Amino acid sequence: DAGVTQSPTHLIKTRGQQVTLRCSPKSGHDTVSWYQQALGQGPQFIFQYYEEEERQRGNFPDRFSGHQFPNYSSELNVNALLLGDSALYLCASSVGTGGMYWTGNTIYFGEGSWLTVV
Amino acid sequence: GENVEQHPSTLSVQEGDSAVIKCTYSDSASNYFPWYKQELGKGPQLIIDIRSNVGEKKDQRIAVTLNKTAKHFSLHITETQPEDSAVYFCAASLPYQAGTALIFGKGTTLSVSS
Repeated sequence: DAGVTQSPTHLIKTRGQQVTLRCSPKSGHDTVSWYQQALGQGPQFIFQYYEEEERQRGNFPDRFSGHQFPNYSSELNVNALLLGDSALYLCASSVGTGGMYWTGNTIYFGEGSWLTVV
Repeated sequence: GENVEQHPSTLSVQEGDSAVIKCTYSDSASNYFPWYKQELGKGPQLIIDIRSNVGEKKDQRIAVTLNKTAKHFSLHITETQPEDSAVYFCAASLPYQAGTALIFGKGTTLSVSS
């Protein structure tokens, strides 16, 4: 059973460029979330996709956008890259989206995509 | 918004000792609390989680406790081994939101020496 897979594993971009990161959720999972992890910090929530729609968003600017495909895979796009966007970008998958009374489904993370902006 | 505080930031123990990491959260509506282990250059690996309707959960050498009144939850690792050395993160679900959005603590670097 494949876990959460992400690509590419490493990439280097120049300030001002655009980047696309990809994620395939764990088999049987339909919800994908993206997180940014700066060096020495905990992951920060960017946004979540369920049923091909962005369901909730963290405190990130509109330069960060995403998409979910019918097969539940997802892309994260970052435009107009800044030096401060250098980080590990993590994809997490789970089943369903719960709302206020959700009692939790196990959330699995991929190994991440290391983005360096120079 | 939700905030998660994690202590200590670093923890050094001898092999065979126990290790305890503590977290507090700010919003009483949070109802899901996972713990992740992250090794250098890798993504976070779920090691145990607890839901708000449970006070304690154990899985072999790892246990988690939750005190909803005090808004505290803790990770306990017994009989530590060198391979337990890693960064550990606690997290709490964002309340009133879809459940997979988590707020993380800043992490605890655990070093187990043999």
